[in-house]
Amino acid sequence: EAQVTQNPRYLITVTGKKLTVTCSQNMNHEYMSWYRQDPGLGLRQIYYSMNVEVTDKGDVPEGYKVSRKEKRNFPLILESPSPNQTSLYFCASGERNTEAFFGQGTRLTVV
Amino acid sequence: AQSVTQLGSHVSVSEGALVLLRCNYSSSVPPYLFWYVQYPNQGLQLLLKYTTGATLVKGINGFEAEFKKSETSFHLTKPSAHMSDAAEYYCAVIKTDTGFQKLVFGTGTRLLVSP
Repeated sequence: EAQVTQNPRYLITVTGKKLTVTCSQNMNHEYMSWYRQDPGLGLRQIYYSMNVEVTDKGDVPEGYKVSRKEKRNFPLILESPSPNQTSLYFCASGERNTEAFFGQGTRLTVV
Repeated sequence: AQSVTQLGSHVSVSEGALVLLRCNYSSSVPPYLFWYVQYPNQGLQLLLKYTTGATLVKGINGFEAEFKKSETSFHLTKPSAHMSDAAEYYCAVIKTDTGFQKLVFGTGTRLLVSP
């Protein structure tokens, strides 16, 4: 089954404790992205990647890191999480000039 | 630059009534446009898309949208609402910037369906 898999689905952590949210896709897509979803703000892009070792900042990259060492994986790293990073996070993948496929989301709470 | 504006953060309809969710985009090039739906506690699911060709696009669950270049609009419609249509709907456009592509979303419209 074609899918984008994120883990974990739910995470509660404390301020400053490094964490990684994993994302994997099995569709051999070139493009992968991370979004955060906040009430009233819709989805905002954090980082995206056009291919292995090719990444760029989205609209809200501060406080996040990504890497793309393999085509199928695109982890999101929060080196020192803060409460304002409490949000619902989505990973997506796709090909050029077409739709993106989304994971089920990761609900992160930073206390 | 490309961006998306969705008019109305909430739209309420009665079951059986017409659904109309509005989306306007700004773009200097022919756009690639999408509507996604998000049910509670789920990810985003593609409803329909416009890339090229016919301007009236049909999607899943009886939804359709019409690309109107002169109005820079891509409104989503469904003739008769069902209770199961209650969800958050997002319009999106592909933004191309120095060769990179990004999918840019509107702020979403919550559809409420009453019996």
